[in-house]
Amino acid sequence: GAVVSQHPSRVICKSGTSVKIECRSLDFQATTMFWYRQFPKQSLMLMATSNEGSKATYEQGVEKDKFLINHASLTLSTLTVTSAHPEDSSFYICSARDGRGWGNEQFFGPGTRLTVL
Amino acid sequence: AQKITQTQPGMFVQEKEAVTLDCTYDTSDQSYGLFWYKQPSSGEMIFLIYQGSYDEQNATEGRYSLNFQKARKSANLVISASQLGDSAMYFCAMREGPNAGNMLTFGGGTRLMVKP
Repeated sequence: GAVVSQHPSRVICKSGTSVKIECRSLDFQATTMFWYRQFPKQSLMLMATSNEGSKATYEQGVEKDKFLINHASLTLSTLTVTSAHPEDSSFYICSARDGRGWGNEQFFGPGTRLTVL
Repeated sequence: AQKITQTQPGMFVQEKEAVTLDCTYDTSDQSYGLFWYKQPSSGEMIFLIYQGSYDEQNATEGRYSLNFQKARKSANLVISASQLGDSAMYFCAMREGPNAGNMLTFGGGTRLMVKP
């Protein structure tokens, strides 16, 4: 199946700093990528839908000024957590679908574990 | 209302036995897709199986099969011949609408523990 990478896999930062997480589709073009957040022992919650070349669509309750999403190309989307606070500590996962129409499944990245001290 | 409901927060199964993980869904769309993902402790989401709402036959992928009962709006995952490596969280998810690029909504998950 298609491969999606995320970088970094784990990050620890101080409160008030910004953290950028990259999501790349390695062997396919992804016109749409999704960003999810998963708190411990909970399910994945969609944060936003990222479309190449346009603004991201955020889910209700997600602050777009805090979670900046940039889908710069067909293979790269970035999530920047600005002025991170301890409550932003979570597991962030991106997913992408092959825009050429192959298959139905979404392919997930390995996730980024963010810890804000 | 919950769109995806997984009523079993945790389950045990004996190695080599079969196990069924429950999933019910709620949608008014005629076209939708149902997915099962496995999430081991490493955190990665591993795609297991997909069932389209218009698929007449139950989906199967190796040891995984999806028991799709459209009238009951259920999409249970059956794992045959459980292995120790099957111990993980399992999530049922739904994509509403015909567009395969639409977002997925996830259930709360079921933690499966396989006993040797």
